[in-house]
Amino acid sequence: DAKTTQPPSMDCAEGRAANLPCNHSTISGNEYVYWYRQIHSQGPQYIIHGLKNNETNEMASLIITEDRKSSTLILPHATLRDTAVYYCIVSPAGGNTPLVFGKGTRLSVIA
Amino acid sequence: GAVVSQHPSRVICKSGTSVKIECRSLDFQATTMFWYRQFPKQSLMLMATSNEGSKATYEQGVEKDKFLINHASLTLSTLTVTSAHPEDSSFYICSARGEGGGYTFGSGTRLTVV
Repeated sequence: DAKTTQPPSMDCAEGRAANLPCNHSTISGNEYVYWYRQIHSQGPQYIIHGLKNNETNEMASLIITEDRKSSTLILPHATLRDTAVYYCIVSPAGGNTPLVFGKGTRLSVIA
Repeated sequence: GAVVSQHPSRVICKSGTSVKIECRSLDFQATTMFWYRQFPKQSLMLMATSNEGSKATYEQGVEKDKFLINHASLTLSTLTVTSAHPEDSSFYICSARGEGGGYTFGSGTRLTVV
């Protein structure tokens, strides 16, 4: 079972920041927080991941609370192409544990 | 970055026939690959974990004799849907973990059984 909870859907105006929350209150010390997104009829696309520090890359920023029980994915300037289902997943750092997907958040970016 | 190539992207087959889906890791060696399926408006569900040179591990409720997985090399894993039926129509996706620790997904295969 997925260990994360996300809102089922969100809207965001084009050009504005999209802030997608995720709760993972039972996260273990060795588990990372991963974010992926899936555009219709495509395979999931990696966005970002982190352990406890905030992370930023060319796609997004990841803010993890100090107690690591929740996180927020930030898309700084959402475009129509960012419309997708966003999945927040927690998984151990090493080994070959598969990612377990929850229901995700369907983000709709509106012009 | 790591790339996983999945083929075919779409396939239509007749009920009772078999279909093979291939996943190749193009620029890294994947000792383990994961197979998922996704029904419309649902999330990805893990079907099995494929290990190079050994038998796959199937999730509960997934028939190993129906969904044959072969991982004969470090860059290729195949999923064969045997004796396909309309209820097997789904979106099948493979994934592999690269050397940097990230998970890379194939582009998916849309299987339609008629």
